[in-house]
Amino acid sequence: NAGVTQTPKFRILKIGQSMTLQCTQDMNHNYMYWYRQDPGMGLKLIYYSVGAGITDKGEVPNGYNVSRSTTEDFPLRLELAAPSQTSVYFCASSYSREAYEQYFGPGTRLTVT
Amino acid sequence: DAKTTQPPSMDCAEGRAANLPCNHSTISGNEYVYWYRQIHSQGPQYIIHGLKNNETNEMASLIITEDRKSSTLILPHATLRDTAVYYCIVRGETGANNLFFGTGTRLTVIP
Repeated sequence: NAGVTQTPKFRILKIGQSMTLQCTQDMNHNYMYWYRQDPGMGLKLIYYSVGAGITDKGEVPNGYNVSRSTTEDFPLRLELAAPSQTSVYFCASSYSREAYEQYFGPGTRLTVT
Repeated sequence: DAKTTQPPSMDCAEGRAANLPCNHSTISGNEYVYWYRQIHSQGPQYIIHGLKNNETNEMASLIITEDRKSSTLILPHATLRDTAVYYCIVRGETGANNLFFGTGTRLTVIP
């Protein structure tokens, strides 16, 4: 199993541009999550999904959108990039909410200038 | 979910045991203690979790005090590859869906 994969690894955006961060998991997990991590800080939840077609906001959802059309994929969309969105983005998955382990992808480092 | 308090940084000599403390004085009866670590900006990695009893796996041991207000993660023989930020997280069976990652403890293993 590849686990959780994310693309791209790095990206530089200009202010106002849009992009989609891709996340795929091959573990047939129901739950998927998007976190962001600013320098020297812990992770903050952006959005999560409990299954295909079901998404909900996390702690810091403003400026982002998500969709979950399949169990495997959970893309994160930035519509109008702002410098405040410069961060490292991590996608994670788990079998259920009660599952003790969340599996994390390697992250996408995004810079908005 | 209960809040946790960890020291910001610790050093440990290579080959010695690393003991990482965590305070969670507001923990409630159905909340578990989880430990994750993050090596150099990689994605966090699960280490161990527990409710009341001490737990051990191939990576570490988790010691939870009898009143459950604090816990200690023990890496029995620290190696340079254990240098990472370690997060202590408390989460119950209900409540938030995410794991709340604070700022953790930065462990540096010294040769």
